Amino acid sequence: AQTVTQSQPEMSVQEAETVTLSCTYDTSENNYYLFWYKQPPSRQMILVIRQEAYKQQNATENRFSVNFQKAAKSFSLKISDSQLGDTAMYFCAFEETSGSRLTFGEGTQLTVNP
Amino acid sequence: EAGVAQSPRYKIIEKRQSVAFWCNPISGHATLYWYQQILGQGPKLLIQFQNNGVVDDSQLPKDRFSAERLKGVDSTLKIQPAKLEDSAVYLCASSSWGGRYYGYTFGSGTRLTVV
Repeated sequence: AQTVTQSQPEMSVQEAETVTLSCTYDTSENNYYLFWYKQPPSRQMILVIRQEAYKQQNATENRFSVNFQKAAKSFSLKISDSQLGDTAMYFCAFEETSGSRLTFGEGTQLTVNP
Repeated sequence: EAGVAQSPRYKIIEKRQSVAFWCNPISGHATLYWYQQILGQGPKLLIQFQNNGVVDDSQLPKDRFSAERLKGVDSTLKIQPAKLEDSAVYLCASSSWGGRYYGYTFGSGTRLTVV
């Protein structure tokens, strides 16, 4: 069974600085998708960024980028120029095959301090 | 477009009572998911529907949980009887076929407290 591990329960960063959240996963598949979701206190999961495993190029969305290391099964999220609105729970998620479930990690609570 | 609607937003019940949650997905989304998120953990899939058929219910505690999606649109998740360990946020999500390509949209969830 696939697993997703986030080893940092909590992290904090100063506004305008950069922070990196870690995620590792386990799978025997070769073609899969990885996601980072943000969950603010409103509880709604919001997609931050997604990565297709067959693409070697790391995904980027404005201030958010990933470091995808397929051989190491590592998928970290880098947030540049952190903003107060980035404060939230961040979940790493994995979809093994098309149409299958999303498997989530335990989450990292990120706090951006003014 | 309107998001995924869920109700109620909060529910408090006593153990052994029954409860039902409702989800209205985004119009046209064929796939609907119910996730259970226990405090401090990531969401865990309970059941996945494709139109009105069940695709995956392997992690649904079928002795007490049931779900249906009539006419392939709205869905209801029921717990009967509830246990203390069922206290959690229940999230509904929907997607077009191939959520990985078109994205999953989540509702704001129902927070259930069982006392």
